[in-house]
Amino acid sequence: KAGVTQTPRYLIKTRGQQVTLSCSPISGHRSVSWYQQTPGQGLQFLFEYFSETQRNKGNFPGRFSGRQFSNSRSEMNVSTLELGDSALYLCASSPATGVGEAFFGQGTRLTVV
Amino acid sequence: GQNIDQPTEMTATEGAIVQINCTYQTSGFNGLFWYQQHAGEAPTFLSYNVLDGLEEKGRFSSFLSRSKGYSYLLLKELQMKDSASYLCAARWGGKLIFGQGTTLQVKP
Repeated sequence: KAGVTQTPRYLIKTRGQQVTLSCSPISGHRSVSWYQQTPGQGLQFLFEYFSETQRNKGNFPGRFSGRQFSNSRSEMNVSTLELGDSALYLCASSPATGVGEAFFGQGTRLTVV
Repeated sequence: GQNIDQPTEMTATEGAIVQINCTYQTSGFNGLFWYQQHAGEAPTFLSYNVLDGLEEKGRFSSFLSRSKGYSYLLLKELQMKDSASYLCAARWGGKLIFGQGTTLQVKP
């Protein structure tokens, strides 16, 4: 069974630009959640999608948004990038909201210059 | 709040046993996870506890007490490759809230 796949693995963007990250969950998993990891703040929850609907949201500004498609694949978008958005962005896949084990993808390392 | 507390650093000797503790606030909780993360890599799933008790998987075991808001990860027969950060995460609804992680250093 394939694991969680995130693309791209690495990304360098300029301040003010926008970026879209992609996450394909484990086959049969319908919940995808996103996290930001930085050295200072650790792993912080961004949002969670299940059945194409955002179910939970963390404390991040509106520049961070996401969506989920009918095949459960999810995308995360960050607009008007700031230097502080440089981080490892991780997605986790679970069978359903609040149910079962949660497995992470390899992450997308975003550098904003 | 949904605070997760775990020690920042621990050191142990190769071949020994180490226990990493984690405490969390119990209200609305619905699962406790442990992950291992090596520097520069993504977290790797180790265990998931929903009910009270001990779950054993090879050299790693995880314990949960829901009423006490307490969990621990037990690592036996430590190997050098076990040097990593160990993340405790509690689930509320669909979101995981992580502790700051415990950096474990295994020495020869």
